[in-house]
Amino acid sequence: DSGVTQTPKHLITATGQRVTLRCSPRSGDLSVYWYQQSLDQGLQFLIHYYNGEERAKGNILERFSAQQFPDLHSELNLSSLELGDSALYFCASSIGQGRMNTEAFFGQGTRLTVV
Amino acid sequence: GQQVMQIPQYQHVQEGEDFTTYCNSSTTLSNIQWYKQRPGGHPVFLIQLVKSGEVKKQKRLTFQFGEAKKNSSLHITATQTTDVGTYFCAGKNNAGNMLTFGGGTRLMVKP
Repeated sequence: DSGVTQTPKHLITATGQRVTLRCSPRSGDLSVYWYQQSLDQGLQFLIHYYNGEERAKGNILERFSAQQFPDLHSELNLSSLELGDSALYFCASSIGQGRMNTEAFFGQGTRLTVV
Repeated sequence: GQQVMQIPQYQHVQEGEDFTTYCNSSTTLSNIQWYKQRPGGHPVFLIQLVKSGEVKKQKRLTFQFGEAKKNSSLHITATQTTDVGTYFCAGKNNAGNMLTFGGGTRLMVKP
């Protein structure tokens, strides 16, 4: 158990809908990262938050948004869903930011299926 | 932006053979990390390399960080079926605010 909790584990929704994925980082971790993993593909970096502030953006679509709350949990909002958004969405947390940052701990992921 | 490439994408080996995956970054990295994702699982941290030319070993796994801090490799000696999974490298840029993953190398081991 990595200590990172993601909910829900599975989500099936229709095209055009909006969903919210939730991530609770490990206790004490200030950094949260979101990644998208399509079937048998690599990990696409979406966004990074540190202590409530956005720090870096990757290939995140405009239809997607995220935030990190004062209690450090994070939510990833996906709207106007398309079939191609079907993927495994991982959240990872680490203790901080900076070059000497320690490793990232991954949650179990949320498997999103858009039908 | 920063890009991290990993080769090969797939590798089939016979149990007992060696395996190597290579990672190359388009920019100089402050550090590089390696993760393993078992089928159906989530990535799990293996190791972090920070210094230029650094070499670290974990039992049958040997990790190297290039002199220019732009490339890295993971070598597994005498693979076992338990080594099956996808190995990802992940590079952190000098600003330290983005962990970019390579595409991963999926290792399959025939018993």
